[in-house]
Amino acid sequence: GENVEQHPSTLSVQEGDSAVIKCTYSDSASNYFPWYKQELGKRPQLIIDIRSNVGEKKDQRIAVTLNKTAKHFSLHITETQPEDSAVYFCAAQAKRNSGYSTLTFGKGTMLLVSP
Amino acid sequence: KAGVTQTPRYLIKTRGQQVTLSCSPISGHRSVSWYQQTPGQGLQFLFEYFSETQRNKGNFPGRFSGRQFSNSRSEMNVSTLELGDSALYLCASSLFASGGRVETQYFGPGTRLLVL
Repeated sequence: GENVEQHPSTLSVQEGDSAVIKCTYSDSASNYFPWYKQELGKRPQLIIDIRSNVGEKKDQRIAVTLNKTAKHFSLHITETQPEDSAVYFCAAQAKRNSGYSTLTFGKGTMLLVSP
Repeated sequence: KAGVTQTPRYLIKTRGQQVTLSCSPISGHRSVSWYQQTPGQGLQFLFEYFSETQRNKGNFPGRFSGRQFSNSRSEMNVSTLELGDSALYLCASSLFASGGRVETQYFGPGTRLLVL
């Protein structure tokens, strides 16, 4: 089955710095890669996703890059703000002719942004 | 549209008891997935239902079961509770696209289960 590794497990940055979280996956059939943000005591919320037919996607201060050859994808947050502090999860999912695989999550990265 | 809802939000049970959790998906969503979230293991997949049929199952013991109703609402049941079942149980719903595109999953607020 799919295995998703996420690094680092914790990341501390100063407000205004950039933050990068990296994930690798094992199943070459994976073609959908969402990122979720989970604030303390709240539900995971989708912040950005990318599909395998594109290499990069941006949404304001957030960007995701995908390298299918190397089987890794990364989340980039620029100009970090204290409200970016949360746990971030990457995930991967494959669509096969025989049906859907499950959404497999990385173990999460706790991002702390200090004012 | 209203988001995914889960009831109850909090539960305290004792070992050996059983528990039933409920999830109502976003209107129009026909797929419901369940996850167990713990500090050490992150988000682990339990099972997925679509059109009242279990489509995928994770690596959990048979004490964990689920079902989906014709209105897409889903329930999961845990029998003979163990201390290690204490966790946040999240459900997520998504559309089903016949064109083969994987659809985004939207999470509910979760049910926090404490087993004493």
